[in-house]
Amino acid sequence: EPEVTQTPSHQVTQMGQEVILRCVPISNHLYFYWYRQILGQKVEFLVSFYNNEISEKSEIFDDQFSVERPDGSNFTLKIRSTKLEDSAMYFCASSQGYSQPQHFGDGTRLSIL
Amino acid sequence: KNEVEQSPQNLTAQEGEFITINCSYSVGISALHWLQQHPGGGIVSLFMLSSGKKKHGRLIATINIQEKHSSLHITASHPRDSAVYICAVRSNYGGSQGNLIFGKGTKLSVKP
Repeated sequence: EPEVTQTPSHQVTQMGQEVILRCVPISNHLYFYWYRQILGQKVEFLVSFYNNEISEKSEIFDDQFSVERPDGSNFTLKIRSTKLEDSAMYFCASSQGYSQPQHFGDGTRLSIL
Repeated sequence: KNEVEQSPQNLTAQEGEFITINCSYSVGISALHWLQQHPGGGIVSLFMLSSGKKKHGRLIATINIQEKHSSLHITASHPRDSAVYICAVRSNYGGSQGNLIFGKGTKLSVKP
């Protein structure tokens, strides 16, 4: 069964550095999402992406964050000037349509030191 | 106030027991998801439903749109069912494009 893949599984970065989290969505899916889960807390929506542009974003997704689909297969989340509070598990998800089930990747655990 | 509330927060059961996890929500929705999160963190989608009932193996999910309530049932529970079960809703408010609002999850531990 096709699956969403995320790399790396764990990223350790110094505060203030930039990180790029990568996702390969399922190939025939058109909608892409990033979610975040701070340790011990619930999963939170960050951003959704369709037709090469952001379709919706949450209050969390400020100017520090950006997303890109650089080559038709990868979907990336860039976090500039990372802060300690950016430490979390980041999940990518994709779906065929916005009303279709979302398939999640295994997540990238981001640790900011 | 949380838009999605789950109960209980933690649940310990003996192998073979029938388990029920509840989810209540306060927003208008177009669909509700039940997800399973394993100890390693990965999330697996179990069900997406907008009405009635769905069954997959030992898992059953029901939803009552009028009462804004859903339940996830596990029959003949097994230690491998131990995980966090998360309820998430897709709001039908405004121009929502499918993003989900999550509950805090129910941590289930099934003892042999």
